[in-house]
Amino acid sequence: ELKVEQNPLFLSMQEGKNYTIYCNYSTTSDRLYWYRQDPGKSLESLFVLLSNGAVKQEGRLMASLDTKARLSTLHITAAVHDLSATYFCAVGSPDSNYQLIWGAGTKLIIKP
Amino acid sequence: NAGVTQTPKFRVLKTGQSMTLLCAQDMNHEYMYWYRQDPGMGLRLIHYSVGEGTTAKGEVPDGYNVSRLKKQNFLLGLESAAPSQTSVYFCASSYRENQPQHFGDGTRLSIL
Repeated sequence: ELKVEQNPLFLSMQEGKNYTIYCNYSTTSDRLYWYRQDPGKSLESLFVLLSNGAVKQEGRLMASLDTKARLSTLHITAAVHDLSATYFCAVGSPDSNYQLIWGAGTKLIIKP
Repeated sequence: NAGVTQTPKFRVLKTGQSMTLLCAQDMNHEYMYWYRQDPGMGLRLIHYSVGEGTTAKGEVPDGYNVSRLKKQNFLLGLESAAPSQTSVYFCASSYRENQPQHFGDGTRLSIL
């Protein structure tokens, strides 16, 4: 059974600092997604990672995937207040082409 | 472009009542999904559909039924609501199984 763990679950940081959110998963998978959710809002797709070594960047966010280590990272560079949100990783289930198993989310608060 | 629209946005039910949540997408996506989101947990897949007239069970299907009579609509039904079904329900759609899912704004459902 695929399990997905994110850490930390809560992170408070100052503007301008760098930090990394980790997403570990327990069994082989060929696809991983990162989403952002603002409080009380919908989920927004950030990155789709479909191969080992994949790296994608958008603004101050960069995501990478190591399928051998079963690990994805979401790196935040020089954080700004607008990046405050909850970030989820979701991993494709090896038992289904259509099912994603979601992490519990990392609530990120960036203080001005 | 509306994307994914969920109705209603809020609802309070009494135990044993029934209701239907409606999801409509205007992106001509084949795949549609119903999730529930509970505090401190990631999203869990209830049911999904890979095309008009098809449905399949997800991770937590018990107590729910779905129908996809038209490609653009995916309905989620609760036949006899229970307090354990108090949650935020999200509908999502995608063009293909590997592509990111687009989410609606959610339905906040409370069952007393």
